[in-house]
Amino acid sequence: GAVVSQHPSRVICKSGTSVKIECRSLDFQATTMFWYRQFPKQSLMLMATSNEGSKATYEQGVEKDKFLINHASLTLSTLTVTSAHPEDSSFYICSARGDRGSWEQYFGPGTRLTVT
Amino acid sequence: SQQGEEDPQALSIQEGENATMNCSYKTSINNLQWYRQNSGRGLVHLILIRSNEREKHSGRLRVTLDTSKKSSSLLITASRAADTASYFCATVYGGSQGNLIFGKGTKLSVKP
Repeated sequence: GAVVSQHPSRVICKSGTSVKIECRSLDFQATTMFWYRQFPKQSLMLMATSNEGSKATYEQGVEKDKFLINHASLTLSTLTVTSAHPEDSSFYICSARGDRGSWEQYFGPGTRLTVT
Repeated sequence: SQQGEEDPQALSIQEGENATMNCSYKTSINNLQWYRQNSGRGLVHLILIRSNEREKHSGRLRVTLDTSKKSSSLLITASRAADTASYFCATVYGGSQGNLIFGKGTKLSVKP
């Protein structure tokens, strides 16, 4: 149980285009989803937290107009990288938490974004 | 901002040996969690220890927490080549929404 999927697993796009990454909780309802970014050989940096049906809470330094997060249902959150630049190339990982009283997060397999 | 710091940054051992990784943090926490990440993959939750707990076991894993020193350790006993991965500690600080603050990680290599 507690499986989280991400799609796509890899994406290559050109500078200036937008890319959407989906995060789905497959066998549970996710009240809260988190989006992280990970540079090579580095740790995960929390980008934003989203609760179903409400606006995402962005971490300091993360541009909300560039990284659009939508959490329209209890099983789906999307991250759209708008007007992508090569410096946006990174590994993006989502996680989901089902029960608000639970501290455990279930992570997706990640999406490797390369902007050329 | 990242508040966890793991050491060592990299650890190389032989199969069968024990591996110990340490994590320090800066502010008071609600709980501390350890995660494992295989190269280029997502994270797998290993174990959670609450701030009022001192030690916890799960299979070959043993986690300790010293809130006075703001540190935790993860011990993997009788390591296997399949344990090769990066290990991260992550803290949930008091009053948060449950956001995880990750440390920099320890890259463990277990040689057969």
